[in-house]
Amino acid sequence: DQQVKQNSPSLSVQEGRISILNCDYTNSMFDYFLWYKKYPAEGPTFLISISSIKDKNEDGRFTVFLNKSAKHLSLHIVPSQPGDSAVYFCAASGSWNQGGKLIFGQGTELSVKP
Amino acid sequence: DTAVSQTPKYLVTQMGNDKSIKCEQNLGHDTMYWYKQDSKKFLKIMFSYNNKELIINETVPNRFSPKSPDKAHLNLHINSLELGDSAVYFCASSQSLTLAGTGRVFYEQYFGPGTRLTVT
Repeated sequence: DQQVKQNSPSLSVQEGRISILNCDYTNSMFDYFLWYKKYPAEGPTFLISISSIKDKNEDGRFTVFLNKSAKHLSLHIVPSQPGDSAVYFCAASGSWNQGGKLIFGQGTELSVKP
Repeated sequence: DTAVSQTPKYLVTQMGNDKSIKCEQNLGHDTMYWYKQDSKKFLKIMFSYNNKELIINETVPNRFSPKSPDKAHLNLHINSLELGDSAVYFCASSQSLTLAGTGRVFYEQYFGPGTRLTVT
C-alpha cells in the first residue's frame, strides 16, 4: 500500500518558468514532509521540509505548500533553471517517536529546457 | 570533506556470496539509516540506528545484518546473496532531539552517494 504518491513520473518546463511538483499522501499521522532532489548516480539531496503546523515554507527559489485537508503537498520552483533537471522525491514522516522513518514517493523527473 | 560516504560505490558478486557495505558520516549525527532503491526506483527504509541502538528494523530478510560500531559508522552485511538483492543501497544520517515528556523527533536525513550491488 503506497502511502506517498507522486502521480506524475515526469515533467518538462521551459527555463525561467515555474515548475510545480505534486505529492499526495494517505496517512493522516504524517506530520513532517520533505522534498529531495536526486541526480543520476548520486544520493538524494535534501531540499526543503515543512511541518504539519505550517502550510507554506519558502527557501529561495523553492516553496513547499501543504494542504492537510486534501493530504496534498507541492513543490514550486521559480524560476526554473536547467540545473534543476533531476528526479524529485517527496517523503513523509510521523516525526515523533517513529525513528525518523521516511516514506518516499516514487519520484518525478523534472526536465528544464533552455 | 564528504558528509556521508559509502564504500564501495559498485559491487558485483555472485549468488551465494557474503558481502559488506560500509558507511561513515562526519556530520556529528546520532542516527543512521540504510535504504534500498529497487528496480522501480522506490526508496524503502531497511534499518535505523540511534546512538548505536537499533530502532527501526523493517521486514528485511535476516540475511541482512546491520552493525554500528559507533555513532559515525553503520555497516551492512549481506549473507548468501540472491539475485533479488541487486539494487542501489543508500546510507543516510540525521540528528534527533529528545524532549522530556514528549519523545524524540528526527530532523532531515542526509544521504550518501549509494552503492550499486549487482548479483549475478
